[in-house]
Amino acid sequence: GQNIDQPTEMTATEGAIVQINCTYQTSGFNGLFWYQQHAGEAPTFLSYNVLDGLEEKGRFSSFLSRSKGYSYLLLKELQMKDSASYLCAVSVGGFQKLVFGTGTRLLVSP
Amino acid sequence: GAVVSQHPSWVICKSGTSVKIECRSLDFQATTMFWYRQFPKQSLMLMATSNEGSKATYEQGVEKDKFLINHASLTLSTLTVTSAHPEDSSFYICSARGAGANTGELFFGEGSRLTVL
Repeated sequence: GQNIDQPTEMTATEGAIVQINCTYQTSGFNGLFWYQQHAGEAPTFLSYNVLDGLEEKGRFSSFLSRSKGYSYLLLKELQMKDSASYLCAVSVGGFQKLVFGTGTRLLVSP
Repeated sequence: GAVVSQHPSWVICKSGTSVKIECRSLDFQATTMFWYRQFPKQSLMLMATSNEGSKATYEQGVEKDKFLINHASLTLSTLTVTSAHPEDSSFYICSARGAGANTGELFFGEGSRLTVL
């Protein structure tokens, strides 16, 4: 089976830094993705990790440790528009299907 | 980036009727598409993998006779919710992998919100 866990909700202040953790236990691993989803909209791609280490893209960074089954998404210089759900997803199987975690709702306050 | 389009965006139907949702890859060919369902305040649950020219592969617990998937061409997959009931009300999202994409990134359609009365 597939098990991907994230905290349900997090709150942070505008301008701050927040780290959203994701732990996974999956049958197979082709890579790990982070997506952002605003309410009522489709997810949008944020980052991709296939090797251990940190990937940085502007205000967003994502880290992966395959041996620990662990990833985190780091958001810097938080803005109000960053209030959204953040979804961790693992690519598994020959078709590279994405299995999503429980999702983390982030609320950024002034 | 690659574009995936879904239609309709919103649909309201009576209990017992069937509803068809279309998913199109507009600027690339997708041999594989994925259908997800999302209930309010929950994450995306994979329903099935849609393969062009062959039968869909359903996830455990998803009724294949209720959620009919057809992938007749390289740019179109359809999901038909048969004999819909209020508990089928949900946000249905399709996705496809862009041609030549090395990362395996999925591009998502806009989603279709189904409300069954």
